[in-house]
Amino acid sequence: EAGVAQSPRYKIIEKRQSVAFWCNPISGHATLYWYQQILGQGPKLLIQFQNNGVVDDSQLPKDRFSAERLKGVDSTLKIQPAKLEDSAVYLCASSSQLTDTQYFGPGTRLTVL
Amino acid sequence: TQLLEQSPQFLSIQEGENLTVYCNSSSVFSSLQWYRQEPGEGPVLLVTVVTGGEVKKLKRLTFQFGDARKDSSLHITAAQTGDTGLYLCAGRNTGNQFYFGTGTSLTVIP
Repeated sequence: EAGVAQSPRYKIIEKRQSVAFWCNPISGHATLYWYQQILGQGPKLLIQFQNNGVVDDSQLPKDRFSAERLKGVDSTLKIQPAKLEDSAVYLCASSSQLTDTQYFGPGTRLTVL
Repeated sequence: TQLLEQSPQFLSIQEGENLTVYCNSSSVFSSLQWYRQEPGEGPVLLVTVVTGGEVKKLKRLTFQFGDARKDSSLHITAAQTGDTGLYLCAGRNTGNQFYFGTGTSLTVIP
């Protein structure tokens, strides 16, 4: 089966610009996660969706970050405006309701200059 | 935030040596997972442990969940260059929230 797809793989922007990331989870997976991984650290959960509803967004900086999962399939994560400290890899993962195994995409590496 | 501290942060060993990575927290988790991440890729699940005191073996890798379900360890026997990567523990709490550890970067030198 196809894995989790993410695009773009790399993005370089200047601070105060906006950026959006896209994630297509594994077909049939109800749960979708967005993580931020700063170089050398473990991933930090930003938001978790169950179908198209938000389960947990307690660590999402809501003043600049937003995410949506329309129709409970694809998801987008947006940053507006970006700050230097947003430079990181943004990982998307999905899991089915039958297991808590998360399958990760390759990530989008964001560099904010 | 429920912090999962991993130690050591960095580890460089010769091929054939044994090593142990630790994952510690003051919080109780309903389950704990170990992942390995290679550069430019997302983490890949190695194992899930759910019972306090549980030990699971995956070829040369041995995983243990602490009796109190607050800590875990990963032991690798006779390390190989293919074991090189970032090892991450991740705990799920009773509220079904997921928290990743700080990570251990392992380099196995041929």
